Amino acid sequence: DAGVIQSPRHEVTEMGQEVTLRCKPISGHNSLFWYRQTMMRGLELLIYFNNNVPIDDSGMPEDRFSAKMPNASFSTLKIQPSEPRDSAVYFCASSPVGAGSEKLFFGSGTQLSVL
Amino acid sequence: GQQLNQSPQSMFIQEGEDVSMNCTSSSIFNTWLWYKQDPGEGPVLLIALYKAGELTSNGRLTAQFGITRKDSFLNISASIPSDVGIYFCAGRRTGGGADGLTFGKGTHLIIQP
Repeated sequence: DAGVIQSPRHEVTEMGQEVTLRCKPISGHNSLFWYRQTMMRGLELLIYFNNNVPIDDSGMPEDRFSAKMPNASFSTLKIQPSEPRDSAVYFCASSPVGAGSEKLFFGSGTQLSVL
Repeated sequence: GQQLNQSPQSMFIQEGEDVSMNCTSSSIFNTWLWYKQDPGEGPVLLIALYKAGELTSNGRLTAQFGITRKDSFLNISASIPSDVGIYFCAGRRTGGGADGLTFGKGTHLIIQP
């Protein structure tokens, strides 16, 4: 079975540009999470969705960040405008409903570099 | 938010050595998870623990849920080169899904030839 799929794997952009990160969760999983990983802060939860509905976006750093989940098989994280301090690895993860719902399954991440 | 303290931050060991790392919290957790992150990849779940005192193995890996419910331990026996990576603990305080998980900052395991 396919795991969580993220694209692109790497993104290099210039300050001020819009960046869109994409995620396809594992089929049948009803929760989707966006995390950011940096050396300084480790893994930070940005936002999560249950059944395509955003539940908690308190981790989203600023209004420049937005996330959508238009259907059960697709989510985007958008940064507009991007800044150098946004450089990090962004992970999408999903978890199943019911038994095992505490277990996160991560994608391979998007390495974002904002110049 | 909740804080999980993982130690050590880094470990430099020789191949074949045993490894021990731990995770502590000031709060009680009812679930502990251990993940491993290979370079350039996302974290992968290794072991899940649900009861105080529980001891669970996965191959050469053994993890324990501390009896105080405020800590957890991960041991790796007879380390091999593919054990290199970052090991994360994650704890959950209340019942429910993965939304209640708190992650430690990780232990970087480096194996010297």
